[in-house]
Amino acid sequence: RKEVEQDPGPFNVPEGATVAFNCTYSNSASQSFFWYRQDCRKEPKLLMSVYSSGNEDGRFTAQLNRASQYISLLIRDSKLSDSATYLCVVTLGDYKLSFGAGTTVTVRA
Amino acid sequence: GAVVSQHPSWVICKSGTSVKIECRSLDFQATTMFWYRQFPKQSLMLMATSNEGSKATYEQGVEKDKFLINHASLTLSTLTVTSAHPEDSSFYICSARDVKRLGTGELFFGEGSRLTVL
Repeated sequence: RKEVEQDPGPFNVPEGATVAFNCTYSNSASQSFFWYRQDCRKEPKLLMSVYSSGNEDGRFTAQLNRASQYISLLIRDSKLSDSATYLCVVTLGDYKLSFGAGTTVTVRA
Repeated sequence: GAVVSQHPSWVICKSGTSVKIECRSLDFQATTMFWYRQFPKQSLMLMATSNEGSKATYEQGVEKDKFLINHASLTLSTLTVTSAHPEDSSFYICSARDVKRLGTGELFFGEGSRLTVL
């Protein structure tokens, strides 16, 4: 079983729609959780950290469910510019990181 | 924010030659850097973990004699693709973590290096 698994998508949604997807992790001792965004042919960039109590950053909401070992990302009022691949990153200790394969989101006009 | 510089951005080389890619943390120190490879429309694949002052740790299936990693200082790691072949053509990306901010878990990525082997 992979350490971090994501639905690859693609999620094709119209502008203004809400889209949500999850990332599951296998190691219950995982400590930190992040969502990164990667545009085509570019390096990943941090979108947001995921906190135990859940957190929002504008139109983006991240949730952590430790009991079920998954994190989620919800995008409200989707914009064309939200089209990207969203990577889930899970850390275990200072140097052990695991990446999900990414979820592709395409927002259409 | 923290910056990681990767050089070169693009490189085209002939089959059989070696290519060196540099990854520098510009405003922080990184005892550990990570090297990834990404083929078109595929996910990032961790190749190896570069450790300052010691040998790199390679992921299963990655040839350490082909992908030479040197973490010369707290701000520089290099990846050398030796005797490159067309199948090595890929997007290579490095990332680093700030030693003073390990608790955040945040990774800082270089801009990536696109290697094309003819």
